[in-house]
Amino acid sequence: DIQLTQSPSTLPASLGERVTISCRASQSISNSLNWYQQKPDGTVKRLIYSTSTLESGVPSRFSGSGSGTDYSLSISSLESEDFAMYYCLQYATYPLTFGSGTKLEIK
Amino acid sequence: QVQMKETGPGLVQTTQTLSVTCTVSGFSLTSYGVHWVRQAPGKGLEWMGIIWGDGSTNYNSALKSRLSISRDTSKSQVFLTMNSLQTDDTAVYYCAEQYFDFWGPGTMVTVSS
Repeated sequence: DIQLTQSPSTLPASLGERVTISCRASQSISNSLNWYQQKPDGTVKRLIYSTSTLESGVPSRFSGSGSGTDYSLSISSLESEDFAMYYCLQYATYPLTFGSGTKLEIK
Repeated sequence: QVQMKETGPGLVQTTQTLSVTCTVSGFSLTSYGVHWVRQAPGKGLEWMGIIWGDGSTNYNSALKSRLSISRDTSKSQVFLTMNSLQTDDTAVYYCAEQYFDFWGPGTMVTVSS
């Protein structure tokens, strides 16, 4: 199974700050990676698919990049609604696997 | 407009079998697959399995021996069945459309002795 190592597990940040979350795969996943946001009520929303394609309706302050085994999600200028959990998901190979999550919290 | 909703028993006894239903609207189960994902309290997301549009399935290897996913296309419903439950199967169970564009709100299942 492909393991995804997501870091950091917790990310304290301030409004307006730029942040980056990393997701490293145990083998190449050929850009088959999505990013999800989960709010405290459990609602899950896809932000980015295929490494860097922004989901319709998602603010442009979100961006994704990477290749091979290393991927990242960046938020250019944090707004209050961005404080949530974030997960990466690889779909290159079954079984699908999620990263362990990053809690983006207010500093 | 795609909608998905999970319905579960709420509370299940250990060693018993869990049955959760995902009812979908806005797309055909013969055209798109449906995933099951779960999240234990305070933990991350765990992919459980998928039933594809052609009815075939893929499962998480760690759960494969206990897990079955089936469907009733006439009712637009997908079923998760998992046996030999233990307390660490306590989780919110989600269904999601094949491309993870759409998720249900999840249903909490508590496994208790």
